Amino acid sequence: EPEVTQTPSHQVTQMGQEVILRCVPISNHLYFYWYRQILGQKVEFLVSFYNNEISEKSEIFDDQFSVERPDGSNFTLKIRSTKLEDSAMYFCASLIEYNEQFFGPGTRLTVL
Amino acid sequence: SQQGEEDPQALSIQEGENATMNCSYKTSINNLQWYRQNSGRGLVHLILIRSNEREKHSGRLRVTLDTSKKSSSLLITASRAADTASYFCATGAGGGADGLTFGKGTHLIIQP
Repeated sequence: EPEVTQTPSHQVTQMGQEVILRCVPISNHLYFYWYRQILGQKVEFLVSFYNNEISEKSEIFDDQFSVERPDGSNFTLKIRSTKLEDSAMYFCASLIEYNEQFFGPGTRLTVL
Repeated sequence: SQQGEEDPQALSIQEGENATMNCSYKTSINNLQWYRQNSGRGLVHLILIRSNEREKHSGRLRVTLDTSKKSSSLLITASRAADTASYFCATGAGGGADGLTFGKGTHLIIQP
């Protein structure tokens, strides 16, 4: 069964460093998303992406964040200068229209 | 924005009993989805119910949706120890660009 994959599973970085989180959505899906979940809190929407551009973004998704689909399969989230409060689990998801969003296993980002 | 809020926050039952979790939201939705999350792991999609549906079944899961009350319930019948997890409802406005809005979740513990 096709699934969303994410790498790495765990990323540790120093405050101020740039990180890139990678996702491979399900191949025939059209919409791609990033969410985050701070430990013990609810899952929060960051951004959606369709047709090679951002469709919608939340207030969390500020100038420090960017997304890219560099080729036909990968979907990345970049955080330019990480802060302590960026420590969270980051989930990628993909969707074929008007159906359920399928989530990847997540990348745990720890900012020291 | 839509907002799913589950209750109870925590539920502990004996194996074999049924577990019922509720979700309320605030604005119009196109669909409502339920996800399961095992501790520290990814989100597993359980079931999607559209706004024009009132009830849906999948195996031991039964979901109801009452759009007049802006509420949904998830029933797990004949619970098993493996059902121990956090359960989240997530609402979507319908268009693929829209991110899901998650509730805080119900932490379900099945005691053997």
